[in-house]
Amino acid sequence: GAGVSQTPSNKVTEKGKYVELRCDPISGHTALYWYRQSLGQGPEFLIYFQGTGAADDSGLPNDRFFAVRPEGSVSTLKIQRTERGDSAVYLCASSSNGVGQETQYFGPGTRLLVL
Amino acid sequence: SQQGEEDPQALSIQEGENATMNCSYKTSINNLQWYRQNSGRGLVHLILIRSNEREKHSGRLRVTLDTSKKSSSLLITASRAADTASYFCATAFGGQGGKLIFGQGTELSVKP
Repeated sequence: GAGVSQTPSNKVTEKGKYVELRCDPISGHTALYWYRQSLGQGPEFLIYFQGTGAADDSGLPNDRFFAVRPEGSVSTLKIQRTERGDSAVYLCASSSNGVGQETQYFGPGTRLLVL
Repeated sequence: SQQGEEDPQALSIQEGENATMNCSYKTSINNLQWYRQNSGRGLVHLILIRSNEREKHSGRLRVTLDTSKKSSSLLITASRAADTASYFCATAFGGQGGKLIFGQGTELSVKP
């Protein structure tokens, strides 16, 4: 596609429920990143993939958060047993090769609200 | 944790004036990038400056990098109302792939 797309745009769920957030990167980009942004803050790194494998998952806050990228393209961020503190905008980005000297292109984000 | 600190947190200017935003960071970097964000959604990449570069220009944007002071500045010249947005600096480190660490941002308001 022309840019990074994320679905859904908005997600409202109840505390304790499971949610999946999807990211479709720019075609051909091998690196994919997930960030989380709380109101009034800068984005916070969660995890990044190089191809199908998670190259760095040091930003995942706890084991309720998990992400996959089984075919090296689309990625899904999964949150189990959601808590109100998980409410934030979840941003996905992709870049051409993930070596750190190239531009990251961001999607519009998924706004998650946990009631 | 966030590595960058941005200054000021908020800036309000008149159209036509210049806007300067500053970013400081703590550890050695591979490169530093500036992003713009409207309405709390997707970020738009503005400029990437590598650690061996001191200044870069793109249209009305000028970015400087001082690695000895661990700081960078973004200058927007002849600002327009459409420049109203949040601006973030983000740093990338050697050996950590493309992982970016963002500052807390500067909220710029340009009044017509």
